[in-house]
Amino acid sequence: EVQLVQSGAEVKKPGESLKISCKASGYRFSTYWIGWVRQMPGKGLEWMAIIYPGDSNPRYSPSFQGQVTISADKSINTAYLQWSTLKASDTAMYYCARHTDYYDSPGFPDSWGQGTLVTVSS
Amino acid sequence: QSALTQPASVSGSPGQSITISCTGTSSNVGSYNRVSWYQQHPGKAPKVMIYDVSKRPSGVSNRFSGSKSGNTAYLTISGLQAEDEADYYCCSYEGTKTFVFGGGTKLTVL
Repeated sequence: EVQLVQSGAEVKKPGESLKISCKASGYRFSTYWIGWVRQMPGKGLEWMAIIYPGDSNPRYSPSFQGQVTISADKSINTAYLQWSTLKASDTAMYYCARHTDYYDSPGFPDSWGQGTLVTVSS
Repeated sequence: QSALTQPASVSGSPGQSITISCTGTSSNVGSYNRVSWYQQHPGKAPKVMIYDVSKRPSGVSNRFSGSKSGNTAYLTISGLQAEDEADYYCCSYEGTKTFVFGGGTKLTVL
């Protein structure tokens, strides 16, 4: 059974840095793309970024390029999302999601983590 | 990259059928048969209901079906049940290994 377990809720101040995690189990981590999705309070899902753990090849939505960094450590089956300088507007729930395999590209997000709530407030 | 366009809300009575549209462009929905649909109940993670336009994952009720015409994809739910009340999101591949979600549709079962 595929399981994605995310790190716990975070409360940070503007300007601080943060790295949240998503630990995968139940499948071969290095051979499936894994990504992050943002959901701001009361709003919809926004696709942010994806990475192939086998070679740490990332792709970003233009909306999030330069704003966050996605990474993965295949030795411990864990994906990460990090910010160097948080803003109040980064307050949101963040979900990690495994993508299925679709020939040589990522397929649809099929398994989801439970979400990590990030609150940025002074 | 703009979000796919969905109606903000739809409603139906138990037993009825409803259809939710998801309009994109020739760069996403129109170019790829890689549209998926997600159901999200309050406080829960999304759950995939349809993938690759019209395929149903194991365990998803056959009351859920998907289709596509041109730049617009559709999710139809037949025989509405109270438990179907949730937010629904479409998602499309956009090429270069990126994806885009729709703005979401709130389904109310009257």
